[in-house]
Amino acid sequence: EVKLVESGGGLVQPGGSLRLSCAASGFTSATYWMSWIRQAPGKGLEWVATINQDESKKYSMGSVKGRFTISRDSAKNLLFLQMNSLRAEDTGIYFCARDYYGSGLSYFDYWGQGILVTVSS
Amino acid sequence: EIVMTQSPATLSVSPGERGTLSCRASQNVNSDLAWYQQIPGQAPRLLIYGASTRATGIPARFSGSGSGTEFSLTINSLQSEDFAVYYCQQYKDWPYSFGQGTKLEIK
Repeated sequence: EVKLVESGGGLVQPGGSLRLSCAASGFTSATYWMSWIRQAPGKGLEWVATINQDESKKYSMGSVKGRFTISRDSAKNLLFLQMNSLRAEDTGIYFCARDYYGSGLSYFDYWGQGILVTVSS
Repeated sequence: EIVMTQSPATLSVSPGERGTLSCRASQNVNSDLAWYQQIPGQAPRLLIYGASTRATGIPARFSGSGSGTEFSLTINSLQSEDFAVYYCQQYKDWPYSFGQGTKLEIK
């Protein structure tokens, strides 16, 4: 059974940092592109970042460029999102997801349950 | 950047009836379009990919159609568990983009 479990969320002050983790099981995560998608309270889904298998390709949304970094440890089946210079508008639930295609530009076939990030003083 | 627009924002349908949701892309995405269902408090679930292919385990009452810039999701014989929020997503080009969602509510 494919499982994605996020951790590392919480309350942080504006300007602070958090590192989210996503533990994958039930499949060989090293063969898949992986992504982070977020959802502000009461709002829709917003793609954040995507990484390929060997970390040679990374894509991210404009408003997080230079602040958020996606990375992975394929040997441990872990995906990360390092979030720096956090702003109130970064508040929301962060989901990790598996990109179905192994070659980029894909839909998301499995999602984690999400982890809450709250940026507030 | 490709902008996805869903309509209506809210759709009220009676159980057992049919509901049709629309999604429009600001430019051609071919058939690189997925639909997701999200029940409040849960993660999104993949319903449709390639504009019209049902994901594994998705009931046949869900169907997708369209290509290019105009897409629709039809749910026949609505059941209680189908009342949720639905999102479309294009994966034709970076950055990925989602529609703002359509809430399907019980009439």
